[in-house]
Amino acid sequence: DIQMTQSPSSLSASIGDRVTITCRASQNIRSYLHWYQQTPGKAPKLLIYAASTLQNGVPSRFIGSESGTDFTLTISSLQREDFATYYCEQTYALPRTFGQGTKVEVK
Amino acid sequence: EVQLVESGGGLVEPGKSLTLFCAASGSSFGFTFDNYAMHWVRQAPGKGLEWVSGISRNSAKLGYADSVKGRFTISRDNAKNQLYLHMNSLRVEDTALYYCVKDKGGEVTATWGCDDWGQGIQVTVSS
Repeated sequence: DIQMTQSPSSLSASIGDRVTITCRASQNIRSYLHWYQQTPGKAPKLLIYAASTLQNGVPSRFIGSESGTDFTLTISSLQREDFATYYCEQTYALPRTFGQGTKVEVK
Repeated sequence: EVQLVESGGGLVEPGKSLTLFCAASGSSFGFTFDNYAMHWVRQAPGKGLEWVSGISRNSAKLGYADSVKGRFTISRDNAKNQLYLHMNSLRVEDTALYYCVKDKGGEVTATWGCDDWGQGIQVTVSS
């Protein structure tokens, strides 16, 4: 199975901060890496697919990038509505796997 | 916009069976259920997301997490826009909120993620 190692598990940040979350795949997954945002009590929402493509309606402050088996989600300027938990997911091979999640909290 | 509505959850004893249902509909012109792969993703209380199972648009390809392989069966009825998850030999560790999820593509691998999620249905396994 492909392991997705996501870090950090949590972070504290302030409005306007630049935030970076990383996922590392245990093997090559090409660009089949996607990022989701989940707020408490809600279903996850797709933010970025194919490592760097913004899903329709998602603000441009969310930026995805990749380098080999390392993938990064950057929030360029954190907004109030961005405090949430973020997950990466690989869809390259079965079983599909998620990262452990990163909770972004208010500093 | 696509609506996914789960049903069939509840409280069940260990070792028993349960079937989850997901009804799909689209308010926007052009939604065609049988164009898309579908998945079940679960989330145990206070935990992260776990992909459980997926089925390609024409049911040709199925996939399961190791934790449910041999116990759970996914299926779909494209004529009824329905997705199912038959769960046998349930364990306490299967307790979770189960989401019905639509893929952006028609296959279960090499796709661009999941763009529509239901609100989830609770399954609790306890004696």
